[in-house]
Amino acid sequence: NAGVTQTPKFRVLKTGQSMTLLCAQDMNHEYMYWYRQDPGMGLRLIHYSVGEGTTAKGEVPDGYNVSRLKKQNFLLGLESAAPSQTSVYFCASSYGIIRLHYNEQFFGPGTRLTVL
Amino acid sequence: AQSVTQLGSHVSVSEGALVLLRCNYSSSVPPYLFWYVQYPNQGLQLLLKYTTGATLVKGINGFEAEFKKSETSFHLTKPSAHMSDAAEYFCAVSFNTNAGKSTFGDGTTLTVKP
Repeated sequence: NAGVTQTPKFRVLKTGQSMTLLCAQDMNHEYMYWYRQDPGMGLRLIHYSVGEGTTAKGEVPDGYNVSRLKKQNFLLGLESAAPSQTSVYFCASSYGIIRLHYNEQFFGPGTRLTVL
Repeated sequence: AQSVTQLGSHVSVSEGALVLLRCNYSSSVPPYLFWYVQYPNQGLQLLLKYTTGATLVKGINGFEAEFKKSETSFHLTKPSAHMSDAAEYFCAVSFNTNAGKSTFGDGTTLTVKP
């Protein structure tokens, strides 16, 4: 199993450009999450999904949109990139309603995004 | 609302010394508690977790943590540090009814000196 994969690994954008980050998981997880990681600030939740076709806002959703058209994929979009969105983005997934796994999250390797 | 505080953003120990990384949480309901490790340029991976039952939990690479409800703490320890333990460590809290969401601490960077 590949686990959680993220595409691309690195990207440089100019202010105002748009892009989509792709997250894929092959563990049949119900829940998926997008985080951003900035120095000294831990991980902050951007958006999450509890199932195919559903999404919800997290702690820092402004400037981002998401879609989950297929259970295994979770897309994060930046419509008009800003320098404040320079960060490392992590996708994660979890089993969800299966209590045995108690919300343990499985993380992808990250996407390093720079907005100039 | 739940929160996690990791005391000390940087901890430095000598190889072979005790590792102690501190984590305190706040919550109004029984928590699930996690420690994750992040090596440079990688994603987070689970070290150990507390859900229910035994309050002393053992994880990978010789780490363990003890859930102390009265102190609202979940400190991570390892008796003897190894150079390969150098990484960033994150404490996280979650609950049974919040869509699987976790709240993460700000992280502690562990440096191991030879």
